[in-house]
Amino acid sequence: NAGVMQNPRHLVRRRGQEARLRCSPMKGHSHVYWYRQLPEEGLKFMVYLQKENIIDESGMPKERFSAEFPKEGPSILRIQQVVRGDSAAYFCASSPPSGLNEQFFGPGTRLTVL
Amino acid sequence: GQSLEQPSEVTAVEGAIVQINCTYQTSGFYGLSWYQQHDGGAPTFLSYNALDGLEETGRFSSFLSRSDSYGYLLLQELQMKDSASYFCAGPGSNYQLIWGAGTKLIIKP
Repeated sequence: NAGVMQNPRHLVRRRGQEARLRCSPMKGHSHVYWYRQLPEEGLKFMVYLQKENIIDESGMPKERFSAEFPKEGPSILRIQQVVRGDSAAYFCASSPPSGLNEQFFGPGTRLTVL
Repeated sequence: GQSLEQPSEVTAVEGAIVQINCTYQTSGFYGLSWYQQHDGGAPTFLSYNALDGLEETGRFSSFLSRSDSYGYLLLQELQMKDSASYFCAGPGSNYQLIWGAGTKLIIKP
């Protein structure tokens, strides 16, 4: 049973470019969460999605950031016109419908903005 | 507001016991989770306390007191591989998990 998969593991972008981060949840999990983590800091919640629905996006910046979890395919976190401050590790986690408190994390995508 | 507070760093000796505390202020609180994260790695789930009391899983135990808005993670027989950051987390009022800032556990031989 494959765990949560994220790709790419490392992503380098120049300022102004777009970054697309992908997350495939564990089999049987319908809930996906995206987090951002800066070095030496904790996890910051960004968005919580179920298939075709955004349940809570209270942690998402109002501009340039968007997320989706389509009926088919992985969840996508999209960052438009990246700036240096977007450099961070972005983690995706998934849980079954009853398992908000036990989330399974992917290996993360390390985004570096030059 | 909703927040969880934990010490930023704890130091202990190999073979010893260490306790990492977590106090919280959230509305509609329904339990406390603990996660471990090694440097450069992803968080991994350790335990979840839905009810008051102590939950034991091998060398790790977790405690919750909802009346005191307080919990802790207890690590026994510390090993060097336990050096990591430990996060407490609890469900907020908006279907999301609220996380503490993490406690870095430093273990000395």
